[in-house]
Amino acid sequence: KQEVTQIPAALSVPEGENLVLNCSFTDSAIYNLQWFRQDPGKGLTSLLLIQSSQREQTSGRLNASLDKSSGRSTLYIAASQPGDSATYLCAVRRETSGSRLTFGEGTQLTVNP
Amino acid sequence: DAMVIQNPRYQVTQFGKPVTLSCSQTLNHNVMYWYQQKSSQAPKLLFHYYDKDFNNEADTPDNFQSRRPNTSFCFLDIRSPGLGDAAMYLCATSKTGRGRTNEKLFFGSGTQLSVL
Repeated sequence: KQEVTQIPAALSVPEGENLVLNCSFTDSAIYNLQWFRQDPGKGLTSLLLIQSSQREQTSGRLNASLDKSSGRSTLYIAASQPGDSATYLCAVRRETSGSRLTFGEGTQLTVNP
Repeated sequence: DAMVIQNPRYQVTQFGKPVTLSCSQTLNHNVMYWYQQKSSQAPKLLFHYYDKDFNNEADTPDNFQSRRPNTSFCFLDIRSPGLGDAAMYLCATSKTGRGRTNEKLFFGSGTQLSVL
């Protein structure tokens, strides 16, 4: 059974700092990995999707990397801003699961002005 | 413009009283999902429709049912809500084809269900 773990559970940083969020998964047989953002009481917004054959994806100040063999992904946020404050979740699509995703519990990020 | 719309935003029901949550989409995506998310926990997939085909997760309680009358709409029915069913219910969609692996999920804003 696939398990997804995110560390740390919560993170507080001053504005402008670069930071890294971590995601690990137990079964390396995945199709892709997605990073999502969730604001309090809201739905999820897809940030980046990395195919299993890719090593990284970039969008603006965000960079996500994937090391499938070791079961790890990182989300790098450059020059953090208070508007980045949210919960960040990673999710993997397992090869045998069709369209289904397995989510981690997320990292709650607070960027202080 | 909202592409995956969930109504209502907040729903309060009584213990044991049936409740229906709705989801509609303007993306014409062929797959629709229902996730349950309790406070500070990972979203948990309840079931999904791949086109008209219903796919239930093995550990989804029988208390939860779903209907998809057409491509645009999907409903979550909770037949006899218990206190443990209080949660955020998230609807999502994707455009998925056989052999495709790069589809993103698009989520609605969720319905927060309270059970009194």
